[in-house]
Amino acid sequence: NAGVTQTPKFRVLKTGQSMTLLCAQDMNHEYMYWYRQDPGMGLRLIHYSVGEGTTAKGEVPDGYNVSRLKKQNFLLGLESAAPSQTSVYFCASSPLRSSNQPQHFGDGTRLSIL
Amino acid sequence: AQTVTQSQPEMSVQEAETVTLSCTYDTSESDYYLFWYKQPPSRQMILVIRQEAYKQQNATENRFSVNFQKAAKSFSLKISDSQLGDAAMYFCAFKTGANSKLTFGKGITLSVRP
Repeated sequence: NAGVTQTPKFRVLKTGQSMTLLCAQDMNHEYMYWYRQDPGMGLRLIHYSVGEGTTAKGEVPDGYNVSRLKKQNFLLGLESAAPSQTSVYFCASSPLRSSNQPQHFGDGTRLSIL
Repeated sequence: AQTVTQSQPEMSVQEAETVTLSCTYDTSESDYYLFWYKQPPSRQMILVIRQEAYKQQNATENRFSVNFQKAAKSFSLKISDSQLGDAAMYFCAFKTGANSKLTFGKGITLSVRP
């Protein structure tokens, strides 16, 4: 069972470059999320989606865009990467009726911006 | 807005001993859920235990148990018979019943001494 798969696992970018992180889930979950993890900050929500074609801002959305064109995929884009976006990025998903259900996480993407 | 506080950045425990990790939260909601996630060096986010606010009984999963004090808004994790594999970062997380978004604490790094 794949669960939540993130691509790529590591990436190094130069300031100003753009890239897209891909998240794919095979659990037919309605909700998907993008977090960033920084030392001493825990995980902070960037954007999330409650269904195909819908997205919403989280706690730290600036500098990122997302798209959910297919239910199983949630893309996170950096249009012009900045060193402050150096972080570990996690994607997660959860089912529609998910009050007490945990979010399922991917293994993370380590992104370095030089 | 909900907040989750993990005030201890690091803790250490002797193998086979018991350790308690603290977490407090702040919310005006009555319907909510609490989680502890473990993040080992592999970077995976692993659900350790969950607690529904409406349940008075403390959740238990093998060597892991919680002390849920609703009035004090406290949700501590007790690890009994600590093992070397328990060494990891532990995150406390919160979500309301009406909202799928998780709010994380900053995490605590647990080391286990052999």
